[in-house]
Amino acid sequence: TQLLEQSPQFLSIQEGENLTVYCNSSSVFSSLQWYRQEPGEGPVLLVTVVTGGEVKKLKRLTFQFGDARKDSSLHITAAQPGDTGLYLCAGALGGGADGLTFGKGTHLIIQP
Amino acid sequence: NAGVTQTPKFRVLKTGQSMTLLCAQDMNHEYMYWYRQDPGMGLRLIHYSVGEGTTAKGEVPDGYNVSRLKKQNFLLGLESAAPSQTSVYFCASSWFRGSEQYFGPGTRLTVT
Repeated sequence: TQLLEQSPQFLSIQEGENLTVYCNSSSVFSSLQWYRQEPGEGPVLLVTVVTGGEVKKLKRLTFQFGDARKDSSLHITAAQPGDTGLYLCAGALGGGADGLTFGKGTHLIIQP
Repeated sequence: NAGVTQTPKFRVLKTGQSMTLLCAQDMNHEYMYWYRQDPGMGLRLIHYSVGEGTTAKGEVPDGYNVSRLKKQNFLLGLESAAPSQTSVYFCASSWFRGSEQYFGPGTRLTVT
């Protein structure tokens, strides 16, 4: 059973369109992180959300943490080809659990 | 400041051969991790360490061993490689459990 479910798995859209990627769980997380991974490289942190209902913006990317801290979303406005990559969400369980739990990722392709 | 480095970047092994993957970090992080990434499976934790001289099992530890003799280095060993261990291996480090993880560039291992 996957602790963190990401959807969609694959998404291919045209430059300029908007999109939303979801990260859902039945578990409560103390924090949730979003990473972006490009081919041949390791994941790189985009943002960490900690408080239920929190919204963070990073240029054209908007991240939201669910009120119950069980889910999160990533919204990209006016997508650009440079946004292409694998987007991973990762949750930290409380109570001293081991490290982060990663979702399987969303493969995003932005076509010019 | 190199961050997290991994050697080698690529390796091809025959079934039954052994090898060691080296991870080094220069950020003085306490926590270090080894993951494998396979298509459709996401990042899965193999082993991790919470400090020099300590190691612990992750989600998929079978067939792997690790050592953390120095704080900055985390070694992953395969004693008798199997085709099922063909994967991309990532090392990561962090300040504490659940905090941002910094990833290396990965090692692509093929076992024939």
